[in-house]
Amino acid sequence: AQTVTQSQPEMSVQEAETVTLSCTYDTSESDYYLFWYKQPPSRQMILVIRQEAYKQQNATENRFSVNFQKAAKSFSLKISDSQLGDAAMYFCAYRIPITGNQFYFGTGTSLTVIP
Amino acid sequence: DGGITQSPKYLFRKEGQNVTLSCEQNLNHDAMYWYRQDPGQGLRLIYYSQIVNDFQKGDIAEGYSVSREKKESFPLTVTSAQKNPTAFYLCASSMIRPRGYGYTFGSGTRLTVV
Repeated sequence: AQTVTQSQPEMSVQEAETVTLSCTYDTSESDYYLFWYKQPPSRQMILVIRQEAYKQQNATENRFSVNFQKAAKSFSLKISDSQLGDAAMYFCAYRIPITGNQFYFGTGTSLTVIP
Repeated sequence: DGGITQSPKYLFRKEGQNVTLSCEQNLNHDAMYWYRQDPGQGLRLIYYSQIVNDFQKGDIAEGYSVSREKKESFPLTVTSAQKNPTAFYLCASSMIRPRGYGYTFGSGTRLTVV
């Protein structure tokens, strides 16, 4: 079975500080892609960052970066210089092309940013 | 602008009634997906389709049906067999190639049983 675990249902961070959201996954496939999505109160899902499993270099997008540990099947998201607009539900997901290209999502982490 | 449109935004269903949620995309994406979102459970896959006139069941297909007669459209019918349909429903689309292509999501439909 394909599973994604986000062990932190809720997190909080002071504005301008750094926070790390954790994610672990379980798959026996070697070809897959990892994603973090953000869902603000509007409930529109927004892609934050993606990582190819075959790449060792960690992906970065402005203030967002990942720590990808393939052997440990860990894919954490680091948000630097947190802003009020970062407050949202964050979902970790992965996609396995061989199994129909659908995404498997974690249960989400609700991030609160404290002014 | 290209995008994916879900309608309606809010939908109310009476007991025993079938309702259909619309999902349309103009991104020329091959694949389309329906997810259900409940508090504390993340997103669960209902159905998906990678090609016109073909679709596959996801993890929670019971009580739902879909069709894919056009590449742009993937409507979801919530039938009376779905005993707990109150939820937030998200439609997504994606290219199959390149392989790491992400999802584009619609803005969702909130279905409530009254």
